[in-house]
Amino acid sequence: KQEVTQIPAALSVPEGENLVLNCSFTDSAIYNLQWFRQDPGKGLTSLLLIQSSQREQTSGRLNASLDKSSGRSTLYIAASQPGDSATYLCAPALFSGGYNKLIFGAGTRLAVHP
Amino acid sequence: NAGVTQTPKFRVLKTGQSMTLLCAQDMNHEYMYWYRQDPGMGLRLIHYSVGEGTTAKGEVPDGYNVSRLKKQNFLLGLESAAPSQTSVYFCASSYGMPEETQYFGPGTRLLVL
Repeated sequence: KQEVTQIPAALSVPEGENLVLNCSFTDSAIYNLQWFRQDPGKGLTSLLLIQSSQREQTSGRLNASLDKSSGRSTLYIAASQPGDSATYLCAPALFSGGYNKLIFGAGTRLAVHP
Repeated sequence: NAGVTQTPKFRVLKTGQSMTLLCAQDMNHEYMYWYRQDPGMGLRLIHYSVGEGTTAKGEVPDGYNVSRLKKQNFLLGLESAAPSQTSVYFCASSYGMPEETQYFGPGTRLLVL
């Protein structure tokens, strides 16, 4: 059974810092891995999707890496801003039963203060 | 495009009452999903559908039923609500291709007393 762990559970940093959020998963036979952002009381927004054949994906100040063999992914946030405050969820996907089965971690709650 | 919408946004039920949560998407997605999110835990899949008229069980299906009579709608029913079903429920949809992401609705907060 796929288990997903995200470290740290919570993080509070001053504006401008570069951050690394960690995700580990137990089953390396994943199809892809996604990072989502969730704002309080809101739904999830997909930030980055890395296919299993890729090593990393970049979008603006965000960079996600994937080491499938070791069951790890990291989300790097450069020059953090207060608007980055949210919970970040990691979700590796197994293609099973004809659909992309996402297994979610509990998330890292990020607070960026001015 | 409204994307994925959910109705209602918030509901309070008494133990034993029934209700239906509605999810609608306007992206012509084939696949739809219902998740629940509890504090300190990741989202867990309740039921999903790979097309109109089809449904299948996810990780935590007990106490819930679903229907997908129209492609754009996915209904989640609670026949006899229990306090353990207090949660935030999210609907999502996708094209179904493995390289595609899932698009999530804003969630429904349900409190069962």
